Amino acid sequence: KAGVTQTPRYLIKTRGQQVTLSCSPISGHRSVSWYQQTPGQGLQFLFEYFSETQRNKGNFPGRFSGRQFSNSRSEMNVSTLELGDSALYLCASSLGDGRYNEQFFGPGTRLTVL
Amino acid sequence: AQSVTQPDIHITVSEGASLELRCNYSYGATPYLFWYVQSPGQGLQLLLKYFSGDTLVQGIKGFEAEFKRSQSSFNLRKPSVHWSDAAEYFCVERGNEKLTFGTGTRLTIIP
Repeated sequence: KAGVTQTPRYLIKTRGQQVTLSCSPISGHRSVSWYQQTPGQGLQFLFEYFSETQRNKGNFPGRFSGRQFSNSRSEMNVSTLELGDSALYLCASSLGDGRYNEQFFGPGTRLTVL
Repeated sequence: AQSVTQPDIHITVSEGASLELRCNYSYGATPYLFWYVQSPGQGLQLLLKYFSGDTLVQGIKGFEAEFKRSQSSFNLRKPSVHWSDAAEYFCVERGNEKLTFGTGTRLTIIP
């Protein structure tokens, strides 16, 4: 079974631009979560989607948004990019939402904002 | 608030030596705990998990972890490390809404 895939793997943008990252979960998984990893803040939860509905959201500004499609694929969007948005963005999928569902991580998208 | 503490930012051990990475959690009476490993530029791979039952759990790559409720700890161990174990290790707790990650411990292996 194929793992979680994320596209693109690397991205360079300039301040003020917007960016869309994509995540394809493992086949059959209905929940997708997004995380931001930076050297200063570590790994932080962005949001979780299940069956096209946002279930939980982390403490990030409204510039960060996401959505999930009927095939469980998910996208996250960051508008008006800032230098501090440079990070590795990780997507994880699980069979369901809730506490007892193991999350499987993709390789991440490395975003650099210049 | 939920928190996970990994007191060691960086650990260096010799190849073949034993390893213990420390982790303390803070959430709830029934924690759901994980250890993940991240190699440079890669995503996270699950090493092992604990929800209930035996307090000593076995994982992949020869790792094990011991859950101690009295100490709120979930330390990761390996009896003999290999050069390929060099990576960053994260202790993680699952709450009702999200995963909370420790700050990570970077493991360096010297020959």
